[in-house]
Amino acid sequence: SAVISQKPSRDICQRGTSLTIQCQVDSQVTMMFWYRQQPGQSLTLIATANQGSEATYESGFVIDKFPISRPNLTFSTLTVSNMSPEDSSIYLCSVEDSGVRGYTFGSGTRLTVV
Amino acid sequence: GEDVEQSLFLSVREGDSSVINCTYTDSSSTYLYWYKQEPGAGLQLLTYIFSNMDMKQDQRLTVLLNKKDKHLSLRIADTQTGDSAIYFCAERRNDYKLSFGAGTTVTVRA
Repeated sequence: SAVISQKPSRDICQRGTSLTIQCQVDSQVTMMFWYRQQPGQSLTLIATANQGSEATYESGFVIDKFPISRPNLTFSTLTVSNMSPEDSSIYLCSVEDSGVRGYTFGSGTRLTVV
Repeated sequence: GEDVEQSLFLSVREGDSSVINCTYTDSSSTYLYWYKQEPGAGLQLLTYIFSNMDMKQDQRLTVLLNKKDKHLSLRIADTQTGDSAIYFCAERRNDYKLSFGAGTTVTVRA
């Protein structure tokens, strides 16, 4: 199955700043997904990142707030911009993994905005 | 409301069986999944079932699918303390995206 390395694992950031989260996959994948998990909540899809095209965002999420890069088939970044305490969440990347007939997730980035 | 619904909490005695239930809405879903999330950890894929199956067994895990009622369940036999976690049901939509339930917190008591 695919192995995903997600960095950083956690961070505490000042409001108004930005944080970029990285996901590196050990194999080439077509689609990468970015999720947010707010405290005590389920996972909500932020956007789908395809190599060579702009990310597609779900309702309620916009590119200015969550810019995404996908420079190649093994790497993607999600930036949380102009952060506020409401952005405190776990952010996870995910890929469709044909090896397990499912979706593999990174270990997540626990973000706290103060 | 959510497309995928689960009960929020389950308390079970160690050694007993746990049954976690889930309902979904998209009848065209091809795959349905169960994920486990331990405290402070990411999501671990436990098992999946293809929509043309009605049962799948994998060691202590049994998945039952009632496609007519859009009902999915996960049974954990001989529940252990290490099974304490949040369990998420998820359906794969036609656009390859996953919709997750709210998660069921399973607490195993001695």
